[in-house]
Amino acid sequence: GENVEQHPSTLSVQEGDSAVIKCTYSDSASNYFPWYKQELGKRPQLIIDIRSNVGEKKDQRIAVTLNKTAKHFSLHITETQPEDSAVYFCAASSGGSYIPTFGRGTSLIVHP
Amino acid sequence: GAVVSQHPSRVICKSGTSVKIECRSLDFQATTMFWYRQFPKQSLMLMATSNEGSKATYEQGVEKDKFLINHASLTLSTLTVTSAHPEDSSFYICSAGANRDLHFGNGTRLTVT
Repeated sequence: GENVEQHPSTLSVQEGDSAVIKCTYSDSASNYFPWYKQELGKRPQLIIDIRSNVGEKKDQRIAVTLNKTAKHFSLHITETQPEDSAVYFCAASSGGSYIPTFGRGTSLIVHP
Repeated sequence: GAVVSQHPSRVICKSGTSVKIECRSLDFQATTMFWYRQFPKQSLMLMATSNEGSKATYEQGVEKDKFLINHASLTLSTLTVTSAHPEDSSFYICSAGANRDLHFGNGTRLTVT
């Protein structure tokens, strides 16, 4: 089955800095890569996703890149703000599956 | 957008008792719902896939007799933790797929004393 590795487990930045979270996946059939943000005790919320037919996608301060050859994808957050502090999960799934495999999560802390 | 409602948000129960958690899709029909378990500072682990009108599919290592899943309608799936023990204390989250996106409930914090 799919295996998703995520790094780092914890990321601490100063407000205004950029943050980068990296994930790798093992199943070359995976073609959908969502990113979720989870605040403490709350539900994960989809913040951005990318499909295998594109290499990069951007939404305001958030961007995701995908390298299919290397089987890795990354989340980039620019101009970080304290409200960006949360746990971020990457995930990978294939075909029309609603069952993504999640990474272990990255706890992002943005210091004011 | 698609909304998934989960109740209760928090529950405390004594060892040996059973707890039922409900997951509802409010504005769409969900033939399939998913149940996850999340330990502190850890990822979401899929426990089982709930299929409307049929038996749930459990992931390896998840006891089906302990975690009873019922998906009797297109908008409701329930997870019952039977004979709960302190090690069952965790955050349980349900989700359902709609429009190729996965929508999560708010989660249930279960504490077994």
